Amino acid sequence: GNSVTQMEGPVTLSEEAFLTINCTYTATGYPSLFWYVQYPGEGLQLLLKATKADDKGSNKGFEATYRKETTSFHLEKGSVQVSDSAVYFCALTDNYGQNFVFGPGTRLSVLP
Amino acid sequence: DAGVIQSPRHEVTEMGQEVTLRCKPISGHNSLFWYRQTMMRGLELLIYFNNNVPIDDSGMPEDRFSAKMPNASFSTLKIQPSEPRDSAVYFCASRQSQGRNEKLFFGSGTQLSVL
Repeated sequence: GNSVTQMEGPVTLSEEAFLTINCTYTATGYPSLFWYVQYPGEGLQLLLKATKADDKGSNKGFEATYRKETTSFHLEKGSVQVSDSAVYFCALTDNYGQNFVFGPGTRLSVLP
Repeated sequence: DAGVIQSPRHEVTEMGQEVTLRCKPISGHNSLFWYRQTMMRGLELLIYFNNNVPIDDSGMPEDRFSAKMPNASFSTLKIQPSEPRDSAVYFCASRQSQGRNEKLFFGSGTQLSVL
């Protein structure tokens, strides 16, 4: 079945540091890929998405590129802020839009 | 739009009691998902509906759990009888259609504590 794997957290960075959170997936066909973010006490909200190979999703300084050859969708940000502290989830939906599979989440803490 | 609305926000109950969680999806959305989130197991899909019909309930833990969607604007997740291991945050999410490009919109969750 479809699955998503993320790097283990927690990740602790200083403000203005570079962020990478690794995500790899297993899926048949052509999934769509997503990054969601969860702030404390809230539900998940979409951060960015990519729907085909080599697409780059971007939002709020975050980027991720859909790499079909490596089945990856790594999240990056050039300069993190304290307000970026949250849990980040990589996710996919399959060819037919059935189901919506999430990775285990990676907790990010940014220190001032 | 008010977004996905879940109630109650918090529920504290005793073992053996029946618990009902409620969800109102965004108007016009025809896919609805129930997830459970715990520290140990992360975010688990319990069940999802498309056009009010359950499509995949393989994530429902056992017969104590049941979910219904009697119409396009309302869904319930029921646990009977509840057990301490059911303590978790339960999220409802909806999307406009089943298309592969459609994003999910999440509610704020119900924090369930079973004592």
